[in-house]
Amino acid sequence: DAMVIQNPRYQVTQFGKPVTLSCSQTLNHNVMYWYQQKSSQAPKLLFHYYDKDFNNEADTPDNFQSRRPNTSFCFLDIRSPGLGDAAMYLCATSRGGSGTDTQYFGPGTRLTVL
Amino acid sequence: DQQVKQNSPSLSVQEGRISILNCDYTNSMFDYFLWYKKYPAEGPTFLISISSIKDKNEDGRFTVFLNKSAKHLSLHIVPSQPGDSAVYFCAASTNAGNNRKLIWGLGTSLAVNP
Repeated sequence: DAMVIQNPRYQVTQFGKPVTLSCSQTLNHNVMYWYQQKSSQAPKLLFHYYDKDFNNEADTPDNFQSRRPNTSFCFLDIRSPGLGDAAMYLCATSRGGSGTDTQYFGPGTRLTVL
Repeated sequence: DQQVKQNSPSLSVQEGRISILNCDYTNSMFDYFLWYKKYPAEGPTFLISISSIKDKNEDGRFTVFLNKSAKHLSLHIVPSQPGDSAVYFCAASTNAGNNRKLIWGLGTSLAVNP
């Protein structure tokens, strides 16, 4: 089945220790998104790639970076995690292009910062 | 300013009855609306969508109604089942060239009681 895969599902890191979350997709979608979701809140878009074009949201902290080495993979790097970065991180993909476009989400990575 | 509003944080329904989840929006440029279902510790799952050129879309037990003049949409689940218990997010988007960003509501937690 075509899908969006996130690894690991649970990640524990120490305050200030860099961490990388990964996402892969078998949907061959052009667009990949990273969201942050905290309890009882809506997902918050951090950035997205349309193919290799990177689009950063204006309020995404510099502490968050992303890489997309190929169509299938996208990484979220948190350079110096703080306690406030503990959250669920969601990867999503979509076909992109004009017209209606649906985003499909992976299962998420729950990040704990000690 | 919240462009997509889900005014009911929670809803409780008896199994077999109809669940109606509501969503209001303020931006008349939105032309595509989606409902996502989210279980705890998982990513959102796409449920159903509707384009602004339609006023109804149906998929099995799920029907979405769109009232553009009122800027209101609703999700009907009939009959409701205990497995439908989850948080339901309404999201909307506009056609912004090649990128469609989702604007999310804050979600409604549905509890279906046996």
